[in-house]
Amino acid sequence: GESVGLHLPTLSVQEGDNSIINCAYSNSASDYFIWYKQESGKGPQFIIDIRSNMDKRQGQRVTVLLNKTVKHLSLQIAATQPGDSAVYFCAEVDNFNKFYFGSGTKLNVKP
Amino acid sequence: DVKVTQSSRYLVKRTGEKVFLECVQDMDHENMFWYRQDPGLGLRLIYFSYDVKMKEKGDIPEGYSVSREKKERFSLILESASTNQTSMYLCASSTSGTAPYGYTFGSGTRLTVV
Repeated sequence: GESVGLHLPTLSVQEGDNSIINCAYSNSASDYFIWYKQESGKGPQFIIDIRSNMDKRQGQRVTVLLNKTVKHLSLQIAATQPGDSAVYFCAEVDNFNKFYFGSGTKLNVKP
Repeated sequence: DVKVTQSSRYLVKRTGEKVFLECVQDMDHENMFWYRQDPGLGLRLIYFSYDVKMKEKGDIPEGYSVSREKKERFSLILESASTNQTSMYLCASSTSGTAPYGYTFGSGTRLTVV
């Protein structure tokens, strides 16, 4: 999962396997959550979002799960591909529309 | 395709120089933000703006200032660059109101201060 520190946590997966990236958020009043993908040398790109009144949302090859009881968010990537290699980070938005970003998890896809 | 455009991908500046980082968005967003991103530290908010000519300090404003004279443009200014300002700088914009906000990032400017 994500943490604040000098080194990014890294998840290594084999091409074709499923990946699960985790994020713990802090504010129980946050009502909107986003996952971003950031490739090396580029800006973050939106992947998928979820509102607090949902516990699951699916996109193309990606699923976000929200567990409000334990304040946990996860991103599942199906059939991981080399192009999925990047840093992934979550964001939570509180009821004042302020965004808080996690520090990220590096996904390394092995061919 | 909607965009947030940062004028430079890479910049190398000398200590003590005044540095301008420019950001333009074409989505008519009210809000604009400047972050710096350092390994393992995530995104740290420097300044943001909710409207033209309005600015608010973020979490790490020291050594920086901003300017928003037009809705689409938000400039970050390093008055006297120092080596500890070597970083990746990201601009973002968003709408106000309710989710999904359209929060969009630029491609980033990697600044090296020597």
